[in-house]
This record gives sequence, C-alpha cells and structure tokens, in this order.
Amino acid sequence: AQTVTQSQPEMSVQEAETVTLSCTYDTSESNYYLFWYKQPPSRQMILVIRQEAYKQQNATENRFSVNFQKAAKSFSLKISDSQLGDTAMYFCAFMESNDMRFGAGTRLTVKP
Amino acid sequence: DAGVIQSPRHEVTEMGQEVTLRCKPISGHNSLFWYRQTMMRGLELLIYFNNNVPIDDSGMPEDRFSAKMPNASFSTLKIQPSEPRDSAVYFCASSSPGQGRHEQYFGPGTRLTVT
Repeated sequence: AQTVTQSQPEMSVQEAETVTLSCTYDTSESNYYLFWYKQPPSRQMILVIRQEAYKQQNATENRFSVNFQKAAKSFSLKISDSQLGDTAMYFCAFMESNDMRFGAGTRLTVKP
Repeated sequence: DAGVIQSPRHEVTEMGQEVTLRCKPISGHNSLFWYRQTMMRGLELLIYFNNNVPIDDSGMPEDRFSAKMPNASFSTLKIQPSEPRDSAVYFCASSSPGQGRHEQYFGPGTRLTVT
C-alpha cells in the first residue's frame, strides 16, 4: 500500500520569506501523480500544485514550486515570498489509479 | 463553474438517526470521491465512483455506511444508524481522469456531529 509521510507537523515563516515543506512517499509503481493541497481555516481543500511522475521537470505555479526526486520518492513544496494568506494546513497526496492517499499534513503559519 | 457542491454544510443529529449527505460534482467530471476527515485519522478515502459505478468501497468503515450515485450529477452518502464516532467532516471530490485531468476538486465539506 502507498504511504505518504509529512515529517513536519508544524512550521512557521516570516512574511515575504521562503519556506519548504517536506513529503516522502512509498510505492512500487512507476506511474502516479503527486499533489499538494492547502486547507485554510475555512476547511476548503484547495489544489496548490500537481506533478506527474513521468515528467522530470518540476512543476511551478506562481510562488509555489516543487522539488520532485523520483528515485528518492521525495516531493517537497517551496513557497516563495510567503503571504499571510498562505497560513493553512498543507497536505501532500499521492495518487495511482484514482486511489488518492494523503499525508498527515503540515500546519504552516506565516508571521507578519 | 460552481465547483463541487455539498449539502448540508453542517449536520447535527442524535445517535441512532439516519444521516444523508449530498454531493453534486463538477459538470463533465466522471469520477466522484467521498472522504472523511478526523483529527485522529486524517483524510480517508471512503469510496469512489467512475461513470456512476462504485469502483472501490474498501474504505467504507462499516455496513452502516452506504453510497449511491444514481446519475452523473448527484451522489449520496448515508449513515444508518449514526454513532458519535461518525462525527467528522465529510468531503466530496470530483475529477476527470478520462481527459487526463487527475487532480481532484473538493467541495466545501459537511461537518457532521452525532450526539
């Protein structure tokens, strides 16, 4: 079974600085998808970024980028120029054949 | 697009009562997922449908839980009878993997409290 591990339960960063959230996963599959979701206090789950395992190029979405290391089964999220609105729980997710598994989440606080 | 719609947003019920949660996926999406989120267990996949057909219900905790998708635009998750340990936030999500879009879009969730 696939497992997703987020080793940082909580993190904080100063506004405008950069922070990296870690995620590792375990799988024997070669084709899969990886995602980062954000859950602010409103509890809405918001897709932040996605990565297809067959793509070597790291995905980027504005201030959000990933460092995908397939051999190491690592998928970290970098948030640049952190904003107060980035304060939220961040979940790493692994999906193969429509079966999505989530990590336990990292609570990120952006401090003014 | 209105996104995934769930109702009700909040539900408070007494132990033993039947609870029905509703979901309308994004138009054109052919995969639908039900998740449960608790502090203890995090986000858990309960069941998912492809083209209205249940594909994997191995995450459904007990026979008290059942889910249906009578058509492409509507799904229900029913708990009968409900128990206090069913208290959680229940999310519905949809996706369109047939179009190469594997990311799932979530509804706002239903917060269920069973007393």
